[in-house]
Amino acid sequence: AQKITQTQPGMFVQEKEAVTLDCTYDTSDPSYGLFWYKQPSSGEMIFLIYQGSYDQQNATEGRYSLNFQKARKSANLVISASQLGDSAMYFCAMREPNYGGSQGNLIFGKGTKLSVKP
Amino acid sequence: AAGVIQSPRHLIKEKRETATLKCYPIPRHDTVYWYQQGPGQDPQFLISFYEKMQSDKGSIPDRFSAQQFSDYHSELNMSSLELGDSALYFCASRLPGGYTEAFFGQGTRLTVV
Repeated sequence: AQKITQTQPGMFVQEKEAVTLDCTYDTSDPSYGLFWYKQPSSGEMIFLIYQGSYDQQNATEGRYSLNFQKARKSANLVISASQLGDSAMYFCAMREPNYGGSQGNLIFGKGTKLSVKP
Repeated sequence: AAGVIQSPRHLIKEKRETATLKCYPIPRHDTVYWYQQGPGQDPQFLISFYEKMQSDKGSIPDRFSAQQFSDYHSELNMSSLELGDSALYFCASRLPGGYTEAFFGQGTRLTVV
């Protein structure tokens, strides 16, 4: 069964510094997608970045980058130049393959609460 | 840009009552997912629809049902509400195929008292 593990319940980072949020996954399928979402205290779920299992390069989106190490089954999120507004819960998620009519729902990790200190 | 619209944003119901949550996906997104997020928990998949047909079923209680209508909006119907149903309910939509990202609505916060 597919599984996402986020081992850091909470993290602190100083404003303007970089921070890495860990995510490991487990799947026997060679084809999958990995996602990071941000959930501020207001509750909405905001898509940040996506990495496909066959992508050769690590994904980047502005200050967000995904450190994808396929052999280690890890997909860590790196946030550069942290801002106070980055304080939120961050979820790593994996999409199951689209087989037999399935639309591939997301499986989430338990999340990491990031706090940015001024 | 248009986003996923959920209504209502907040809902308070008593035990054993019924509730209906609505979701309007982003235009041209024909895949809709429903997730339940309990306090301090990660989102749990409930059910999904593709082209108005149920696609996958997760940990959705038998007391809940859902459907997707001809205009692609979806409704989650919840009956015989229990205290444990208090949660944030998300709807998400995405374009079909591949591993395109799912965009989430702002959620409906249901409180059962």
